[in-house]
Amino acid sequence: DTEVTQTPKHLVMGMTNKKSLKCEQHMGHRAMYWYKQKAKKPPELMFVYSYEKLSINESVPSRFSPECPNSSLLNLHLHALQPEDSALYLCASSQGPARGHENEQFFGPGTRLTVL
Amino acid sequence: QKEVEQNSGPLSVPEGAIASLNCTYSDRVSQSFFWYRQYSGKSPELIMSIYSNGDKEDGRFTAQLNKASQYVSLLIRDSQPSDSATYLCAVQTDRGSTLGRLYFGRGTQLTVWP
Repeated sequence: DTEVTQTPKHLVMGMTNKKSLKCEQHMGHRAMYWYKQKAKKPPELMFVYSYEKLSINESVPSRFSPECPNSSLLNLHLHALQPEDSALYLCASSQGPARGHENEQFFGPGTRLTVL
Repeated sequence: QKEVEQNSGPLSVPEGAIASLNCTYSDRVSQSFFWYRQYSGKSPELIMSIYSNGDKEDGRFTAQLNKASQYVSLLIRDSQPSDSATYLCAVQTDRGSTLGRLYFGRGTQLTVWP
């Protein structure tokens, strides 16, 4: 089973709202990722968690706050977002991070976020 | 700067033809290479991974890797309209501080017409 689930599928929020995106995997993977994808662009890495510890933060603004409560769950807390933050937010997981097949990353369906 | 370049496309082929998608990368220590398919409005789906020089076949898909030329390609045989999507090339560089990080190309949009 290579399933990564994400909720909600769609989210509309105002610039003063606080919301959270959720991601879950039950593949026993030890690495989880948040990506942001704008239309007609490739996914852009935001954060990497390895063994429940934040290992990569790609200089993401503090209005995005990741959390990894356990090895299966990944959250992205959103606060005071801007309209330009509207995008598809993708979660992925892999066995690694490591080499070769252990870094095959499997993506969830994404959350389509609109910031008004 | 780790760059991954893909043929810009869009690529349009008739049904039943071979579609050839190309990708070059700049970092010689790259070790793992992946092809993702992304339908419009959907998330990327891993369709092929390749780690050593040569060809790897999976059904109608063949990935080819040439590390000396820093080149990886994806061939889709007997193309079907359902193959119409954007194909993303992703490269992993096995350096300590970036272990696990994927570098994506901009994608090639493929259209297969009946």
